[in-house]
Order: sequence, then C-alpha cells, then structure tokens
Amino acid sequence: DQQVKQNSPSLSVQEGRISILNCDYTNSMFDYFLWYKKYPAEGPTFLISISSIKDKNEDGRFTVFLNKSAKHLSLHIVPSQPGDSAVYFCAASGNTGTASKLTFGTGTRLQVTL
Amino acid sequence: SAVISQKPSRDICQRGTSLTIQCQVDSQVTMMFWYRQQPGQSLTLIATANQGSEATYESGFVIDKFPISRPNLTFSTLTVSNMSPEDSSIYLCSVADSGGNEKLFFGSGTQLSVL
Repeated sequence: DQQVKQNSPSLSVQEGRISILNCDYTNSMFDYFLWYKKYPAEGPTFLISISSIKDKNEDGRFTVFLNKSAKHLSLHIVPSQPGDSAVYFCAASGNTGTASKLTFGTGTRLQVTL
Repeated sequence: SAVISQKPSRDICQRGTSLTIQCQVDSQVTMMFWYRQQPGQSLTLIATANQGSEATYESGFVIDKFPISRPNLTFSTLTVSNMSPEDSSIYLCSVADSGGNEKLFFGSGTQLSVL
C-alpha cells in the first residue's frame, strides 16, 4: 500500500524553465510534508517542507504547494538549473514534531538540459 | 545540521554472508534511523536505534535479520545477516534535526549487491 505516490518516474526540463514535480498521498492523517533531493552516491538532502496548515511555502527558487482537499502537493523549481538534476523524493509525516515515521514516495528523476 | 559518515560506501557480498554497516554522527543524537531503498522503490524505515535500549523495528523487519547496535549517542551499526540477492539495496543511516521537526539528515548510503 503506497501511501505516498510520485507517479512520474522521470522528468526532463530545459534550463531556465519551470520544473514541476508532483506527489499524491492517500493518508488523511499526514500533516507535514517534505521534499528531499538525492544525487548519485549521496544520501538524500532536505530541500523544503510544508505544514498542513499552509498551502504554500517558498524558499528561493523552490516553492511547495499543498492541496489538502486533493491530497496533492507539488514542488516548483524556477528557473531550473543543470545542478538541479537529481532524484526528488516526496515524504509525509502524520506525527508532527517527530521524524521517525516519514513515508517516502518512489522518487522522480529530474534532468535539466542545456 | 548533522554530518553523518557511513561506511562502507559499497560492497559486493556472497549469498549467506553478513555485512555490518557503520554510521558515525558528528554530534550526540537520541535516535538514529536505518532506511533501505530497494531498486526503483521508496525509502523504507527498517528500525530506529535508541541508545541504551533495543532498536525498534518496523513491520516486516526483524532483529535476527537486521541486528542493530547503538553503543553511544554518536554511533550505530546495522548488520544485514545471511544475505540473499533480495537484500541488494542502498542502506541509509539518518538522524533527526535537533530542532524537533520531521527533517532528517542522511548519510551517503551503502550500496549493497548480493551475488
């Protein structure tokens, strides 16, 4: 039972354009959502997060949008840069304040082309 | 943030053998987490390593297969026992952000291939 789904295994975007990575979840108890970025041979690194009390959180080129009614969140990267090429994981938690129960999606591989 | 050193970074092992993965953190942390990422799959929590008590295993993972040690607040090991090709995965050590939120910091992972 995949509670966090990233239905696009890969995405290719031209440098300078917007990258939109999508994530859907099924568990209505999830109340905190995170995006991680992973380069080959490295561990995932935290990118941005959002609490369920918000519908948008922005950090520089990265913006996460949350649509609770649709159980959907998305990560926007604008403008996309070649260094953004990585695998992006969406994660969700239903225990606010505790890191021990993150549920991850399967990841989307983003390739930013020149 | 925490700096996590994990080794080995990769290994190729024979079926039936065991491999111990080490995880060192540059600061004292209460809980350390061990994750697995099978090919094409999401990161799955194996267990939480608590200092001074037994590890807490998630559904589908057992201590006999994945024994964990946590001798102090900066170090943990995960052993993959009696390996089979199905154990071929990336194993990741992680710790929680000291700010008390859900943010995790990860080691660079151990790429395990079992022949």
